[in-house]
Amino acid sequence: EAGVAQSPRYKIIEKRQSVAFWCNPISGHATLYWYQQILGQGPKLLIQFQNNGVVDDSQLPKDRFSAERLKGVDSTLKIQPAKLEDSAVYLCASSAIRGDRGYEQYFGPGTRLTVT
Amino acid sequence: AQSVAQPEDQVNVAEGNPLTVKCTYSVSGNPYLFWYVQYPNRGLQFLLKYITGDNLVKGSYGFEAEFNKSQTSFHLKKPSALVSDSALYFCAVSPTAGGFKTIFGAGTRLFVKA
Repeated sequence: EAGVAQSPRYKIIEKRQSVAFWCNPISGHATLYWYQQILGQGPKLLIQFQNNGVVDDSQLPKDRFSAERLKGVDSTLKIQPAKLEDSAVYLCASSAIRGDRGYEQYFGPGTRLTVT
Repeated sequence: AQSVAQPEDQVNVAEGNPLTVKCTYSVSGNPYLFWYVQYPNRGLQFLLKYITGDNLVKGSYGFEAEFNKSQTSFHLKKPSALVSDSALYFCAVSPTAGGFKTIFGAGTRLFVKA
């Protein structure tokens, strides 16, 4: 089975510019997650979708970050405008069972963002 | 506040020796517990999980983990380490209350020396 796809793999932008990341989850996975992983730290959940609805976005900086999941499949995470502290790896993950906490997450390779 | 702690930044072990990577948590209710591994230049991979039942769970690549409710711990173990086990290991917890948000620890780097 194909894994979680993400693009781009790397992105370098200047502060105050905007950037978008794309994620395609494993086919049939209802739940999709976006994480931010800063160097030396564990992943931090930014937003979680169940189908195309938001389950949790309590840690998403909504003044600059936005995310959508059209038709309950692909998802896009956007940052506008970017700050230096947004430099991190952005991970997308998906899991199989809708709303069930017990099912493991499958992660994509991540997008490494550098803001200069 | 709900949290996950991995008290060791790095664990060093000789090949063939047993290894333990520690994890403790502070969450409400009966959480679900996970271990993930991140190899260099690769994404996070699921290793094993505890949902309910037997406190000792077995996962991929010969790893196992022991759930201890009284000590709120979920330590990762392997009887005989391999050089190829060298990677970054993350403990994760999904709390009973407060939605489905998964909380990750900061990670422990395992180095297995030949």
